Amino acid sequence: GEDVEQSLFLSVREGDSSVINCTYTDSSSTYLYWYKQEPGAGLQLLTYIFSNMDMKQDQRLTVLLNKKDKHLSLRIADTQTGDSAIYFCASGNMLTFGGGTRLMVKP
Amino acid sequence: NAGVTQTPKFQVLKTGQSMTLQCAQDMNHEYMSWYRQDPGMGLRLIHYSVGAGITDQGEVPNGYNVSRSTTEDFPLRLLSAAPSQTSVYFCASSYSGTGNNEQFFGPGTRLTVL
Repeated sequence: GEDVEQSLFLSVREGDSSVINCTYTDSSSTYLYWYKQEPGAGLQLLTYIFSNMDMKQDQRLTVLLNKKDKHLSLRIADTQTGDSAIYFCASGNMLTFGGGTRLMVKP
Repeated sequence: NAGVTQTPKFQVLKTGQSMTLQCAQDMNHEYMSWYRQDPGMGLRLIHYSVGAGITDQGEVPNGYNVSRSTTEDFPLRLLSAAPSQTSVYFCASSYSGTGNNEQFFGPGTRLTVL
């Protein structure tokens, strides 16, 4: 089956940039997604990228896709304490999720 | 719109008990799914449905049953609860199971099986 891998934890200082990385195995994915989960809540779609794109920018968020290496990253500029959450990447039409990266933002 | 609603929010069961986790959506979405979330393992797909009357198994279907008699509702049944089913369960829905399908998630049901 498909596999999606992420690092478990990232800690940054407020105002710094955060980069969350993800690798996946399913090269047939049409879209790749980033979801955000705040404590005690369900997941919310943060952004997505179409598989024929290399980069997508959406305000403070930048998604980079390297199809050759099957590597997806999410960059959050000017990270705020409100960005503290768990971030999941997901790929595949039936959505296989990575294990999630817990982002901690220190004031 | 209420979006995706789940009940109950919390549940404690004894081994061998059965129960149904409720999920409803008011967005007229065709696609609904159930996931379980365990620490460090992301979300794993249990069952999904692409429309009323149609269901299929996901990655971890054993011990769970589903039915989809209406577009709005997609209950998940635990037939005989086991401690390994202790988890947080999320229901999700989207307009279509393929393409750019933003999935809308419910708030989750935290289940403990003793």
